[in-house]
Amino acid sequence: EPEVTQTPSHQVTQMGQEVILRCVPISNHLYFYWYRQILGQKVEFLVSFYNNEISEKSEIFDDQFSVERPDGSNFTLKIRSTKLEDSAMYFCASSELSSWETQYFGPGTRLLVL
Amino acid sequence: AQTVTQSQPEMSVQEAETVTLSCTYDTSESDYYLFWYKQPPSRQMILVIRQEAYKQQNATENRFSVNFQKAAKSFSLKISDSQLGDAAMYFCAYRTGNNNDMRFGAGTRLTVKP
Repeated sequence: EPEVTQTPSHQVTQMGQEVILRCVPISNHLYFYWYRQILGQKVEFLVSFYNNEISEKSEIFDDQFSVERPDGSNFTLKIRSTKLEDSAMYFCASSELSSWETQYFGPGTRLLVL
Repeated sequence: AQTVTQSQPEMSVQEAETVTLSCTYDTSESDYYLFWYKQPPSRQMILVIRQEAYKQQNATENRFSVNFQKAAKSFSLKISDSQLGDAAMYFCAYRTGNNNDMRFGAGTRLTVKP
């Protein structure tokens, strides 16, 4: 069964550095999402992406964050200048035809900012 | 504000028994969707069951069923004939029909005892 994949599984970075988290959504899916989960807290929505543009974003998704679909398969989340509070598990998800379809999640990338 | 509350941080069930995980939500919307996701240890979240708010009939998927009480804004998950593989973190989630912002509860960690 097709799955959403994410790389790397773990990332350690220094505060102020840029990180790029990568996701490969399920191939025929058209909607893509990023969520994060700070340790011990709820899973939080960051952004949704459709037709090569952001369709919705939360208040968490400030100017430090950006998303891109650089080719036909990858979907990336960039954090320009990481802060300690960006340490979290980041989940990518995708859905097939419309935003109300079921979202399928990747295994996550655990980001640690030192 | 749309919030999702899971009041049981941890639950335990004996193998082959039945367990019910509770979830309540707060919304003023009439068109929305409810989900239960399962996250096994070190694995990605997978959809267990979903319910469209306009449907009165409770969703069922094999051993998993929900008790959807729209007026009470309650959406509990019942797992029948519990198996060791059911041990996981279970997240209740909500999304309106108009946007992509999926709201999650804090999760319930289910332990299955042999």
